[in-house]
Amino acid sequence: QQQVKQSPQSLIVQKGGISIINCAYENTAFDYFPWYQQFPGKGPALLIAIRPDVSEKKEGRFTISFNKSAKQFSLHIMDSQPGDSATYFCAASIEGGATNKLIFGTGTLLAVQP
Amino acid sequence: DAGVIQSPRHEVTEMGQEVTLRCKPISGHNSLFWYRQTMMRGLELLIYFNNNVPIDDSGMPEDRFSAKMPNASFSTLKIQPSEPRDSAVYFCASSFVRAPTTEAFFGQGTRLTVV
Repeated sequence: QQQVKQSPQSLIVQKGGISIINCAYENTAFDYFPWYQQFPGKGPALLIAIRPDVSEKKEGRFTISFNKSAKQFSLHIMDSQPGDSATYFCAASIEGGATNKLIFGTGTLLAVQP
Repeated sequence: DAGVIQSPRHEVTEMGQEVTLRCKPISGHNSLFWYRQTMMRGLELLIYFNNNVPIDDSGMPEDRFSAKMPNASFSTLKIQPSEPRDSAVYFCASSFVRAPTTEAFFGQGTRLTVV
């Protein structure tokens, strides 16, 4: 129940294309869903996050779509650029409690070809 | 702030040796997390602390792993004895438990190789 399942494991997209990464969760108590971006040799860094009171959040070329009934959320990268090539992790946590433990998906290695 | 600082950045050790990884969280943060990253399993949460107290160590793989946080500005993850399957990148992250955000800030990681 604590797992977050992420797919695909890797993704190759042409420059200018749309990258889509999907995640699913089981624990309905989760109420915070961030995406982290990791470049080689670096630690993950927060990219964008959503809470279940909205179905979509957009920041620049990055959009999270959230489907509460299906317990799924996805990251869309519009007009993908070579600089977006990185590993992307979805995550989930329960906010407002005594802890803020983040459970991560297994990651998606994105390669954007020029 | 310099962010979360981990040391060493790289560690190569022989099987059976003791390994100690170190972490300095961001000043003012009250939660600290140790994660392990491998290709097969992604980012696994090993243990986390709130206000220097271990809250959940269910992710620690074996008794060979131990973690301490003697004060708000320092934590260690120790592996004794180390084994080749412990080879991974170990990340420390810190955050501040406060709504509305739960952003975790990661260090640059320690790449551990056990030969």
